Parts: sequence; C-alpha cells; structure tokens
Amino acid sequence: AQSVAQPEDQVNVAEGNPLTVKCTYSVSGNPYLFWYVQYPNRGLQFLLKYITGDNLVKGSYGFEAEFNKSQTSFHLKKPSALVSDSALYFCAVRPPSGGSYIPTFGRGTSLIVHP
Amino acid sequence: DVKVTQSSRYLVKRTGEKVFLECVQDMDHENMFWYRQDPGLGLRLIYFSYDVKMKEKGDIPEGYSVSREKKERFSLILESASTNQTSMYLCASGVWPPDTQYFGPGTRLTVL
Repeated sequence: AQSVAQPEDQVNVAEGNPLTVKCTYSVSGNPYLFWYVQYPNRGLQFLLKYITGDNLVKGSYGFEAEFNKSQTSFHLKKPSALVSDSALYFCAVRPPSGGSYIPTFGRGTSLIVHP
Repeated sequence: DVKVTQSSRYLVKRTGEKVFLECVQDMDHENMFWYRQDPGLGLRLIYFSYDVKMKEKGDIPEGYSVSREKKERFSLILESASTNQTSMYLCASGVWPPDTQYFGPGTRLTVL
C-alpha cells in the first residue's frame, strides 16, 4: 500500500527567506507525486506534479519540487517566501499502475510566513 | 478553468437527520471523489466514482453513501447524521486514471 509522510505539522519562515516543506513517500513502482495548497476556508488547489523526466519540477506561484528517488522524497521549495504563501500544503502520491490508482494524501503542513 | 461547485459552504444539522451534500463539475471528468478533512488527519477518502452509477468505497465509507446519476454530479449522503461526522467535506473531480484533481471549496458540516 502507498503512503505519504509530511514530517512537519508546521513550518515557520521569515518573508524573503527560502522555504522547504518536506514530503516522503512509499509506493510500488515509479510514483506520480503531487503538491496541493489550501488557503483558509478554500478547497485544495493544484501546485505541481512529477510523473517522469527532470527531477526538478516547477509549478504555480514560483514553487518547485525536487524528486529524489533514492531518498523517496518530493520536497516543495521556494527561493523567497511571501506572507501570502501562508497556507496548508498537502503532498500526494499514487502508483503508476495497478490497483485503483487512487492518490494518497499526507496529513498536511501548515506554512507560516512572518513579515 | 475547471469548476467544481458544492451546494453549501456551511451546514448545520441535528443528530439523526439525513444530509445531502451535492457536488457538480463542469469539465466532463470521469472521476469524482468525496473526502473528509479533519485537523491532524489530512484528507481521507470516503467514496469515489469512475463513471455514472459506479462507485467504490474509500478508506472511511462507514456511515456514508453516494449517488452518481449523471456524469457531472456526485452526491454524498449521510443517512443518519452523528456528531462524529462534523467535519469539512471536500469534493474533487479528475480524469481517468487519476492525475491532477480539481477540488470544490468545501462544505463545513456541523452536526449538533
């Protein structure tokens, strides 16, 4: 069975500093990996995904994520954080084939960017 | 842009009531999903549907049922609401096999 771990419930960063939100996964085969963001009282919005190809994936709002197969990680990064990036971030994984293909979500990480 | 709408943003019901949560998507997606979101637990899949009249149980189907009579509409039904079903409910849609999911704004349900 697949699983996702987001080891930090909360990440605090000062505006202008780089940010990293961590995600590790477990899945059979080559994974499909996703990051979503949820602003207060809103649904989730897609940020970026990795399926194949370049290990560094660029997404919306200046975010990027690095796929590391040996460490089974897919950390979300941004070079310079904005206060408006404060939100809840979810990592998700699904297997490339077999089973129901249904993604599994992590528990979420609350990102707080301080002015 | 894909649009997923949910019938209510906030809902307050009493224990034992039958509750209907409606979700509509406008992108002709095969897949539709219902999730429940609780603090510290993330998103948990209740049910999903990959076609009209087709449904599959997710991780936490107990106490819930679903209906998909038309491709664009996926309903979540709480047959007899209980206080432990107080939560945020999120609907999503997407293509098959599941890739990017598109989420509705959520319904915050309170059962008193």
